[in-house]
Amino acid sequence: GAGVSQTPSNKVTEKGKYVELRCDPISGHTALYWYRQSLGQGPEFLIYFQGTGAADDSGLPNDRFFAVRPEGSVSTLKIQRTERGDSAVYLCASSLESGAKQFFGPGTRLTVL
Amino acid sequence: QQPVQSPQAVILREGEDAVINCSSSKALYSVHWYRQKHGEAPIFLMILLKGGEQKGHDKISASFNEKKQQSSLYLTASQLSYSGTYFCGTEGSGGSNYKLTFGKGTLLTVNP
Repeated sequence: GAGVSQTPSNKVTEKGKYVELRCDPISGHTALYWYRQSLGQGPEFLIYFQGTGAADDSGLPNDRFFAVRPEGSVSTLKIQRTERGDSAVYLCASSLESGAKQFFGPGTRLTVL
Repeated sequence: QQPVQSPQAVILREGEDAVINCSSSKALYSVHWYRQKHGEAPIFLMILLKGGEQKGHDKISASFNEKKQQSSLYLTASQLSYSGTYFCGTEGSGGSNYKLTFGKGTLLTVNP
C-alpha cells in the first residue's frame, strides 16, 4: 500500500481479554515503531524494530505487552490480560532506516471496558 | 525526559504568524516536528539535526539551537489548513538515533 496501515481501526474489549493489533508498514521500510497516545498527550514510545529484531523495547509498560515482526515487515502488538488503563490509540510508524522521518499509520483505538 | 512545548494553545486569524517552541532538559541529537489533526495520524513536517540548523518548508520553517537544547517552529501567513496539534519529538544525543520522545503538543487553531 501507499502508506502505513493498521487494523483494526477500533477495538473494544473487556478487562482481562487478550488483543492483537496489526501494523503493515510502507514496503521497504526496515524500521518500525509502536507508540501509544492518550487523549491530550503526544505519542509515547513503546518499541522499535530494525528488521525482524526488537532493537529497543524499553517503552513497553510491563510484561503484558509484547510485539513481534517475524518477517521484517508486518508487526503485531499483543496485549494480555487487558486493563482499563490500556485504553488509548496505538500508533505504528515506519521509516526507511532508523533515524529517518517516520510515517505514521492511522492508529488503532483500543477501549477496554 | 519529555520536551516542554509552549504555548499549549494558540488561536490565529488567517494570515497571522505563530511561533511554537520546544525545549529539552537534555542534550539533543535531532528534533522532529509533526502536525496531527483530530482523529488522524501525525504528519511529518521536518527534521532538524544538531548544528544550529534552520529549515524551511513552504511557509513553515524551524530552527534548532543545540546549545540551548531548543527548537522553534515558525508558521507565517497561516492558512486554515494549518490548524491542528503540533508535536515536537526529540532524539537524545546519547546514541539511540531512532527513539523519539514527544512533547504534549501545541493546539493551533486558525480562524477565517
